[in-house]
Amino acid sequence: GENVEQHPSTLSVQEGDSAVIKCTYSDSASNYFPWYKQELGKRPQLIIDIRSNVGEKKDQRIAVTLNKTAKHFSLHITETQPEDSAVYFCAAGGVGGNEKLTFGTGTRLTIIP
Amino acid sequence: DGGITQSPKYLFRKEGQNVTLSCEQNLNHDAMYWYRQDPGQGLRLIYYSQIVNDFQKGDIAEGYSVSREKKESFPLTVTSAQKNPTAFYLCASFQTGVRGYTFGSGTRLTVV
Repeated sequence: GENVEQHPSTLSVQEGDSAVIKCTYSDSASNYFPWYKQELGKRPQLIIDIRSNVGEKKDQRIAVTLNKTAKHFSLHITETQPEDSAVYFCAAGGVGGNEKLTFGTGTRLTIIP
Repeated sequence: DGGITQSPKYLFRKEGQNVTLSCEQNLNHDAMYWYRQDPGQGLRLIYYSQIVNDFQKGDIAEGYSVSREKKESFPLTVTSAQKNPTAFYLCASFQTGVRGYTFGSGTRLTVV
């Protein structure tokens, strides 16, 4: 089955700086890669996603890049703000049209004012 | 609230007791999923169902059971065979053409 590794597990950045979280996956057939943000005690919320036919996608301060050859994808947050503090999860799946997702172990991002 | 409702929010289980966690969605989504969340381990898939009256085991199905008698409902039973059930349980639904999962607000289960 799919295996997703996520790094780093914790990340602290100064407000206004950029943050990068990286994930690798094992199943070359995976074709859907979403990122979720989870605030303390709340449900995960989708913030951005990418499919394997696209190398990069951007939504305001958030971007995701995908390298299918190397089987890794990354989340980039620019101009970080205190409200960006949360746990971020990457996921991979979509094999054979089945949207079963395998999640990474999460990154706790702290924005330092 | 988001179209998918989990209840109860908090649940306490005694040793040897079965408990059932409820998950209901009014989004008309075909697929539903149960994940378990433990600190530092991300979300791990317990069971999933793509259509009514059909479901498949995920990565950590032992000690759990599910049913999918209605499209809207996907209850999860934590049986006494699950030796370490204390965790945060998340239900999610998905429909082709809609981006990503819609998650419920979760049930925090504690063994007492």
